[in-house]
Amino acid sequence: NAGVTQTPKFQVLKTGQSMTLQCAQDMNHNSMYWYRQDPGMGLRLIYYSASEGTTDKGEVPNGYNVSRLNKREFSLRLESAAPSQTSVYFCAGGNYGYTFGSGTRLTVV
Amino acid sequence: QKEVEQDPGPLSVPEGAIVSLNCTYSNSAFQYFMWYRQYSRKGPELLMYTYSSGNKEDGRFTAQVDKSSKYISLFIRDSQPSVSATYLCAMSPAGNKLTFGGGTRVLVKP
Repeated sequence: NAGVTQTPKFQVLKTGQSMTLQCAQDMNHNSMYWYRQDPGMGLRLIYYSASEGTTDKGEVPNGYNVSRLNKREFSLRLESAAPSQTSVYFCAGGNYGYTFGSGTRLTVV
Repeated sequence: QKEVEQDPGPLSVPEGAIVSLNCTYSNSAFQYFMWYRQYSRKGPELLMYTYSSGNKEDGRFTAQVDKSSKYISLFIRDSQPSVSATYLCAMSPAGNKLTFGGGTRVLVKP
């Protein structure tokens, strides 16, 4: 029982490159979320999905897209990475208290 | 101004002392209040969850919510070095789409 699994754990991108961050949960949660964590800024919501097939913008959605492929999987895509997207990205699932993944450390150079 | 404010610390306490953490918020619609613990290079993990005002106790942790003052607190009794971590408050009107504070770093000195 892994909970929420994120891949990759680390990634370095060049400005303008694209990549997809993967997230999968085995806890049967309807709701899933993507947050980014930056020093002094806390966790900020990028996108969320209330159920399979639905997605909605959070506080900082610019530069990102998401796909809720099925109930288990919720991916985050950076189409053209920018240095401002250097951050730690967390996927989470659930309501009334999330379960978080272990994070993806992304550096854009 | 952020919706949820939290002193970044670090908060340094001796082993065995009580750790006192707090957050203030501005959105009166917040009804669900949570505290998370985050160790370095790990994901946050849920410690306490409270609905509306009042107190909740779980082991060495006590969470308090004062909605009239828009102020929440977490107390950790008998702190051990394993308590050293960053503590994040989070809140929401409906239990989803949590808004987080910036976190307080706690250091427990042996």
